[in-house]
Amino acid sequence: ETGVTQTPRHLVMGMTNKKSLKCEQHLGHNAMYWYKQSAKKPLELMFVYNFKEQTENNSVPSRFSPECPNSSHLFLHLHTLQPEDSALYLCASSQGGTRGLQTQYFGPGTRLLVL
Amino acid sequence: GEDVEQSLFLSVREGDSSVINCTYTDSSSTYLYWYKQEPGAGLQLLTYIFSNMDMKQDQRLTVLLNKKDKHLSLRIADTQTGDSAIYFCAEILYGGATNKLIFGTGTLLAVQP
Repeated sequence: ETGVTQTPRHLVMGMTNKKSLKCEQHLGHNAMYWYKQSAKKPLELMFVYNFKEQTENNSVPSRFSPECPNSSHLFLHLHTLQPEDSALYLCASSQGGTRGLQTQYFGPGTRLLVL
Repeated sequence: GEDVEQSLFLSVREGDSSVINCTYTDSSSTYLYWYKQEPGAGLQLLTYIFSNMDMKQDQRLTVLLNKKDKHLSLRIADTQTGDSAIYFCAEILYGGATNKLIFGTGTLLAVQP
């Protein structure tokens, strides 16, 4: 257990559905991250939140909408996805700020399949 | 560029040593990390090394850092079948209001019994 939980662990959705992924960290961290991991591609950073403020949006399509209501919770709202969005979505957290060790701790991921 | 490079695959026999190599890009990176990912799971932090060190040992794991060549390696002694996984190296980049880890492509380690 890393102290970062993600729900659901598996999700199948149609292209017209709306769903949300949830991430919660119990580590007292102030930074949270969404990553996308596809087969045969490097891990892709999607969004970064630092002290609840979004500090990085890595050219992610608008059909992915993040929300960070507080430092412990992070959501990824999904709307009209495409089959190529099928992937493992990983959440991570770190201490926060812009210097220092900043080790990231990962959740187990949500395996998403878009039909 | 921000490409962190790793070889894709390594196969070893149980009990042998494994060495996984990584070449990173930013000579100013202060911390470098090794993560392990087992099938169907998230990334698990294995170890990290601070850039002013050239070696760090943690039980069966030894990390070597060559800053001049921007080369990082992870040695696993007495490799076990439970070590079969994908191993990612990562460097930290600081910038503006955020920091981020740049991950390598991952090395799949297969341990043969």
